[in-house]
Amino acid sequence: ILNVEQSPQSLHVQEGDSTNFTCSFPSSNFYALHWYRWETAKSPEALFVMTLNGDEKKKGRISATLNTKEGYSYLYIKGSQPEDSATYLCASSNSGYALNFGKGTSLLVTP
Amino acid sequence: SAVISQKPSRDICQRGTSLTIQCQVDSQVTMMFWYRQQPGQSLTLIATANQGSEATYESGFVIDKFPISRPNLTFSTLTVSNMSPEDSSIYLCSVISGQTDTQYFGPGTRLTVL
Repeated sequence: ILNVEQSPQSLHVQEGDSTNFTCSFPSSNFYALHWYRWETAKSPEALFVMTLNGDEKKKGRISATLNTKEGYSYLYIKGSQPEDSATYLCASSNSGYALNFGKGTSLLVTP
Repeated sequence: SAVISQKPSRDICQRGTSLTIQCQVDSQVTMMFWYRQQPGQSLTLIATANQGSEATYESGFVIDKFPISRPNLTFSTLTVSNMSPEDSSIYLCSVISGQTDTQYFGPGTRLTVL
């Protein structure tokens, strides 16, 4: 994998459903994996930064896991709410500061 | 975390003109960056804005097209020069604040070039 890939591209779920997204990234020269939530006209909000294989992080109903050996990360949202509607971005970084972003997963949660 | 503001929030410009985007941070930061997101594409790093020296540009981006200033540790500008419709994008600045790997982003400038 040369670039960061995210799937699915978009997702539509009902309020209360749990959902998850996938981020695949180059495992060579890996340093950190970042997840952001981006709502229209707002700043991308940093959710998690993970560096170690097997890392798991949680923030409220949102959690993320990291597998650096195979180059993937999952983001989980438990009991989706309409306010979770946003684009979720992942980005990998190597030893530098540049973030290599995927195209994002657009989530719509309807009541 | 850092609070970042950008001006303008959006603009519509004519082909061949230039636009300067401002980024203001509420605290002094060492590392400041400029990204853009073209329609349907990923956020892509344009350059690192260095205080007191020339910016460091990523492959595919040049100073003549995207001149950057960084006069102090809280402020930077990005100019999009001689614009064409392909420059229509969202431009964001970001910073690394404190002893952390997290980059914090501004709200972006949505640019449309006609």
